[in-house]
Amino acid sequence: GAGVSQSPRYKVAKRGQDVALRCDPISGHVSLFWYQQALGQGPEFLTYFQNEAQLDKSGLPSDRFFAERPEGSVSTLKIQRTQQEDSAVYLCASSLGPSPSTDTQYFGPGTRLTVL
Amino acid sequence: GENVEQHPSTLSVQEGDSAVIKCTYSDSASNYFPWYKQELGKRPQLIIDIRSNVGEKKDQRIAVTLNKTAKHFSLHITETQPEDSAVYFCAASKGIGNQFYFGTGTSLTVIP
Repeated sequence: GAGVSQSPRYKVAKRGQDVALRCDPISGHVSLFWYQQALGQGPEFLTYFQNEAQLDKSGLPSDRFFAERPEGSVSTLKIQRTQQEDSAVYLCASSLGPSPSTDTQYFGPGTRLTVL
Repeated sequence: GENVEQHPSTLSVQEGDSAVIKCTYSDSASNYFPWYKQELGKRPQLIIDIRSNVGEKKDQRIAVTLNKTAKHFSLHITETQPEDSAVYFCAASKGIGNQFYFGTGTSLTVIP
């Protein structure tokens, strides 16, 4: 079956522009995570959804970052008024969860955001 | 919160030799420890994972060991091949619905 997909794969934005990044999780996966990966670093947590409920948004770096998953499947990460420090790869991951044996997270290919 | 440290940051081995990557974690509540392989420009791919109720797990040339008392876990790759060259990340999690805390990665190069 299809894995996690993300679009666009690459996005260049001018400072101050708004961007929207899309994640299509594996069909039937309950849990969805967003991570930010700076160059040469490990992914860092942004936010977590269980179905349509956003249960943890403690990793969002500022109120310019907003995520939603209105129907419990596709999710969108929106960044308003982009800044240069927002440049990174944004990874989406999904897991079948929630149960101990199904919490493995499967990652999408990421969206590389470059803010000029 | 959880803090995961990973060493070494770079590792070069001759083809056929073994490679070992080590991680430590700080939160004793963490109970799930996956390892991901990430090739340049690609998505992280799960290669092996271990839960806190076991001390070792093996899958062909890859093994992971966990020492809960010392709060460290290690990835062992035997008979390395050039296609094993990639960045490897360890992670720790408190389980269901909890975020992964990642290490900073180890860039492994297998020299033919």
